[in-house]
Amino acid sequence: EPEVTQTPSHQVTQMGQEVILRCVPISNHLYFYWYRQILGQKVEFLVSFYNNEISEKSEIFDDQFSVERPDGSNFTLKIRSTKLEDSAMYFCASSTTSSQPQHFGDGTRLSIL
Amino acid sequence: EDQVTQSPEALRLQEGESSSLNCSYTVSGLRGLFWYRQDPGKGPEFLFTLYSAGEEKEKERLKATLTKKESFLHITAPKPEDSATYLCAVLRSNDYKLSFGAGTTVTVRA
Repeated sequence: EPEVTQTPSHQVTQMGQEVILRCVPISNHLYFYWYRQILGQKVEFLVSFYNNEISEKSEIFDDQFSVERPDGSNFTLKIRSTKLEDSAMYFCASSTTSSQPQHFGDGTRLSIL
Repeated sequence: EDQVTQSPEALRLQEGESSSLNCSYTVSGLRGLFWYRQDPGKGPEFLFTLYSAGEEKEKERLKATLTKKESFLHITAPKPEDSATYLCAVLRSNDYKLSFGAGTTVTVRA
């Protein structure tokens, strides 16, 4: 069964450094998403991406965050200058349409020191 | 603001002991309600989508139902492998984002 894959599984970064999280969505999906889950808290929406542009973003997704689909298969989340509070599990998801189920990867655990 | 509340927070069951999980929501213009299963250290795994009140979906020991205010996930004769956190999420009309509840952690003892 097709799945969303994310790399790396764990990223440790010094505060203030840039980090790029990578995702390969399911191949025939057109909508792409990033969510995050701080330990012990709810899964929170960050951003959705369709037709090479951001379709919706949350208040969390400020100027430090950006997303890109650099080629036909990858979808990336960049955090320019990481903060301690960015430590969380980051999940990528994709769907065929905006109302169909979103399928999630197993996440990247981001630890900011 | 959308509210998704799941209860109970935790549920401990004996193998074979059926039970129900609740997801109550307040959202203007529900487009869909989604149930996911999440194992420790993993991403949410899709289970069901419900689009309108009265709809029911079933898969193995799980059955999801939807009313205008809440959804239930019924677990019939659970097995230890059903132990997980079950997440409910809503999708609003004209939105792209899922709004998640905090989840119900189910533990099934053999």
